[in-house]
Amino acid sequence: GENVEQHPSTLSVQEGDSAVIKCTYSDSASNYFPWYKQELGKGPQLIIDIRSNVGEKKDQRIAVTLNKTAKHFSLHITETQPEDSAVYFCAASGNNNDMRFGAGTRLTVKP
Amino acid sequence: EPEVTQTPSHQVTQMGQEVILRCVPISNHLYFYWYRQILGQKVEFLVSFYNNEISEKSEIFDDQFSVERPDGSNFTLKIRSTKLEDSAMYFCASSSRLLYNEQFFGPGTRLTVL
Repeated sequence: GENVEQHPSTLSVQEGDSAVIKCTYSDSASNYFPWYKQELGKGPQLIIDIRSNVGEKKDQRIAVTLNKTAKHFSLHITETQPEDSAVYFCAASGNNNDMRFGAGTRLTVKP
Repeated sequence: EPEVTQTPSHQVTQMGQEVILRCVPISNHLYFYWYRQILGQKVEFLVSFYNNEISEKSEIFDDQFSVERPDGSNFTLKIRSTKLEDSAMYFCASSSRLLYNEQFFGPGTRLTVL
């Protein structure tokens, strides 16, 4: 089955700096790669996703890149703000609806 | 904006008791999911459900677990005889037919087994 690895487990940046979180996956059949933000006491919220026929996608301060050959994808947050502080999860799934999550990255943005 | 809702927000039960966790998916969605998150750990897939039957299930989803869509709006997860290690946050999610990968999560139910 799919195995998703995520790094780093914790990340601390100064407000205004960029943050990058990286994930790798094992199953070449995976074709959908979402990123979720989880704030304390809440469920995961989809913030951006990318499909296997796209190499990069951007939404304001958030971007995701996908390298299918190397089986890795990354989340980039620019101009970070304190409200970006949360746990971020990457995930991967194929056509079988079985979504596998990474272990999560706790991002802290210091004002 | 439509959202997935879950009840209760917190459930405390004794070991060996049965619990039912309830979810109301987004109304026009056709795929439903349950996930589990043990405190401080990753979100783990339990089961997906479509057209009134299980379409995928993980190794975690053993005979103690069952899912049901008893009516047109609710989607439930039943744990027959809870164990201490079942203590976790349980998240329900749903997705539409056309964009079936894009899953929207509920706020979760915290299950505490004593």
